[in-house]
Amino acid sequence: DTGVSQDPRHKITKRGQNVTFRCDPISEHNRLYWYRQTLGQGPEFLTYFQNEAQLEKSRLLSDRFSAERPKGSFSTLEIQRTEQGDSAMYLCASSLDDREQETQYFGPGTRLLVL
Amino acid sequence: AQKVTQAQTEISVVEKEDVTLDCVYETRDTTYYLFWYKQPPSGELVFLIRRNSFDEQNEISGRYSWNFQKSTSSFNFTITASQVVDSAVYFCALSEKDTGRRALTFGSGTRLQVQP
Repeated sequence: DTGVSQDPRHKITKRGQNVTFRCDPISEHNRLYWYRQTLGQGPEFLTYFQNEAQLEKSRLLSDRFSAERPKGSFSTLEIQRTEQGDSAMYLCASSLDDREQETQYFGPGTRLLVL
Repeated sequence: AQKVTQAQTEISVVEKEDVTLDCVYETRDTTYYLFWYKQPPSGELVFLIRRNSFDEQNEISGRYSWNFQKSTSSFNFTITASQVVDSAVYFCALSEKDTGRRALTFGSGTRLQVQP
């Protein structure tokens, strides 16, 4: 399977704990995106990387959130001091910048529940 | 600012009926892309189609067809002879090229239930 993978698929944590999610993009894709999706809503953009550079961050990405893509391959999204409002599905997507049109392919997501 | 509206929250049809999912978008860019994704109960978003703003040709892929009309800023999706496996949430999304912004802006989705 050469699609986007995410780990873990599910995470339950207590309020105040830190959590980290991992995303492995499709191997030749140079762009990687993080989105958050709450129940009954469409995904909302959080941040994106081109290779190892983080090029855009949404206002949704509070200072408790940090994302990295250290070698331009996999990425991690960390949430510090989790709050109940952080409960959501965290989706990762990757794409190839072909300078004309690009399609983002999504992973299965990490479902976070903060108790 | 960009916006995508999917006014139909939920649609229920009986198998073999045709169904159209509506999508209306707003953007100031002259070059943009429109997408449809399917999200089955498993949760993974599955890419269905991408359409460039300069290409208004309608597209058909098997039982799926898409109608893009710039004059009404709409990009509607029709499933012909629906099947139970089509049951999912469908999202329309927009990305803008002129501004260089790469993020997708999604609508709130339409939940399609196909009854046997």
